[in-house]
Amino acid sequence: DSGVTQTPKHLITATGQRVTLRCSPRSGDLSVYWYQQSLDQGLQFLIQYYNGEERAKGNILERFSAQQFPDLHSELNLSSLELGDSALYFCASSLSGSGDTQYFGPGTRLTVL
Amino acid sequence: AQSVTQPDIHITVSEGASLELRCNYSYGATPYLFWYVQSPGQGLQLLLKYFSGDTLVQGIKGFEAEFKRSQSSFNLRKPSVHWSDAAEYFCAVGAANQAGTALIFGKGTTLSVSS
Repeated sequence: DSGVTQTPKHLITATGQRVTLRCSPRSGDLSVYWYQQSLDQGLQFLIQYYNGEERAKGNILERFSAQQFPDLHSELNLSSLELGDSALYFCASSLSGSGDTQYFGPGTRLTVL
Repeated sequence: AQSVTQPDIHITVSEGASLELRCNYSYGATPYLFWYVQSPGQGLQLLLKYFSGDTLVQGIKGFEAEFKRSQSSFNLRKPSVHWSDAAEYFCAVGAANQAGTALIFGKGTTLSVSS
């Protein structure tokens, strides 16, 4: 158990819908990262937040957005969902915002029908 | 651009035999290097990491990896594989000393263990 929690574990929804994935980092960690794992793209970095502020951005679609709240939990919002958004979404956390070990949560499996 | 290559998509090893999983990276500055393992339906578990110093790093579950700067490699090894090691293994590189740190992952190597 990495100490990173993610909810829900599974999510099934329809095209065009909007969903919110939630992540709680390890106690004491200030940075949260979101990754997408799909069969065709592999594991891809989406976005990083550090102590409430966006720190780095990867291949995140404009339909996707994230935020980190004062209690340091983070939410990833996915809107206007398409079939291709079906994937495993991981959250990771680290102590600081730069160059340290990232610990991953168990992931949320999103299925878009 | 940063990249990680894991040349072997799938490897089958007999239980008790030794294992080496290959990883090559492309990164201009000093890299942080990681190996993660993912069992079916599970998240990513950190096996080991290299930040600096000794180029041979020890990890959990009897795994080790050696950083070779001249070859841009960070291969994962285990002297004797157990059936429970069957999983998918990911090598990753992280930017060092920058404001934001994204991990760049390889495509992964699936390890099967035969009895």
